[in-house]
Amino acid sequence: DQQVKQNSPSLSVQEGRISILNCDYTNSMFDYFLWYKKYPAEGPTFLISISSIKDKNEDGRFTVFLNKSAKHLSLHIVPSQPGDSAVYFCAASVGMNYGQNFVFGPGTRLSVLP
Amino acid sequence: GAVVSQHPSWVICKSGTSVKIECRSLDFQATTMFWYRQFPKQSLMLMATSNEGSKATYEQGVEKDKFLINHASLTLSTLTVTSAHPEDSSFYICSARRADRGRADTQYFGPGTRLTVL
Repeated sequence: DQQVKQNSPSLSVQEGRISILNCDYTNSMFDYFLWYKKYPAEGPTFLISISSIKDKNEDGRFTVFLNKSAKHLSLHIVPSQPGDSAVYFCAASVGMNYGQNFVFGPGTRLSVLP
Repeated sequence: GAVVSQHPSWVICKSGTSVKIECRSLDFQATTMFWYRQFPKQSLMLMATSNEGSKATYEQGVEKDKFLINHASLTLSTLTVTSAHPEDSSFYICSARRADRGRADTQYFGPGTRLTVL
């Protein structure tokens, strides 16, 4: 049973437009969420996080929105750039403290077309 | 920044042999390191959590006798795949958590090791 779901395996967006990646979770105990970006044959790179006390967190071109009642979060990238083409993983944890591990979604492959 | 390295980056071995993968935090101390496995077109699956100086905690379904983890120092954890078989072929990724911080987002990933078992 997947606790973290990313129902779109792939997404294509034109350069300069907005990319919206979605993530749903089933475990109501999750209270900390992260997005990672992964290029082929490389380890994931942390992008942005949000705790359940917030509903939005912004960092440059990246904004994460959290809807706790719907158990849904989304990552917005605007404007999208070709270098953003990668696989994006949503991850969740119970608590954000020391030693906590994450549950990863299956990932969404984003292709930003020039 | 915080850098995590893995060695080797790619290894090909014969079935039945053992392979050791090293994970090092280069510029910070990591009391906790995580080992993940990724199959093609699938997500990262946590295999085990290793704490410096103590036994690793394995996730359900992961054979501890097959995937030996040693976290001997604050900067090094090793994963040994014993008696490897073709089904062990995968991309293995480690991550390290900084010892001086408690936030979950300070978990840094290595570049991964691709294991191919013939």
